[in-house]
Amino acid sequence: DAEITQSPRHKITETGRQVTLACHQTWNHNNMFWYRQDLGHGLRLIHYSYGVQDTNKGEVSDGYSVSRSNTEDLPLTLESAASSQTSVYFCASSPDRGSETQYFGPGTRLLVL
Amino acid sequence: QKEVEQNSGPLSVPEGAIASLNCTYSDRGSQSFFWYRQYSGKSPELIMSIYSNGDKEDGRFTAQLNKASQYVSLLIRDSQPSDSATYLCAVGGGTSYGKLTFGQGTILTVHP
Repeated sequence: DAEITQSPRHKITETGRQVTLACHQTWNHNNMFWYRQDLGHGLRLIHYSYGVQDTNKGEVSDGYSVSRSNTEDLPLTLESAASSQTSVYFCASSPDRGSETQYFGPGTRLLVL
Repeated sequence: QKEVEQNSGPLSVPEGAIASLNCTYSDRGSQSFFWYRQYSGKSPELIMSIYSNGDKEDGRFTAQLNKASQYVSLLIRDSQPSDSATYLCAVGGGTSYGKLTFGQGTILTVHP
């Protein structure tokens, strides 16, 4: 069955380290999104991509980067982890810009010490 | 910037009752509206989408859309304890075509 997966599911890291969170989908969706979810803030968009080689900044992109080299993957990199980036991170995908229904991965819990 | 507002709750209803969840949005050009359910520690799960004014029913769930008043609601009939979760309203289209803007979610508790 087609699906969207994230790895790792849990990560503990130290301040200043570079961290990469993986997102992989087998639906062949063009659009992929990264969100963070924090108490009191709901889901906030970090970065998104409408296709290979396309990346765009969301509302909370500072300190994060993404790259899209193929349809299936959109890794999220924290260049120098900060305690403020402790959060739950969700990846999502949707077929194309004409269909905005998004399907979510299981999430990654990140703790930055 | 598009805003989506929900009452954070918690909303508590007895088993068997109707739960009513509401959402308002700021962008008049919005075209697509979604309700997601999120259990504690899990990822959001799509339960309803609606694109036209009026009601859309799916089992015990009914989504209602009123574009003139810029609100969308979700009714859950015959509420069950298993419906206890956070319900997220999401809005797409308009100035943010291709993206969704989420509300902060309403916590629903259904007590036996």
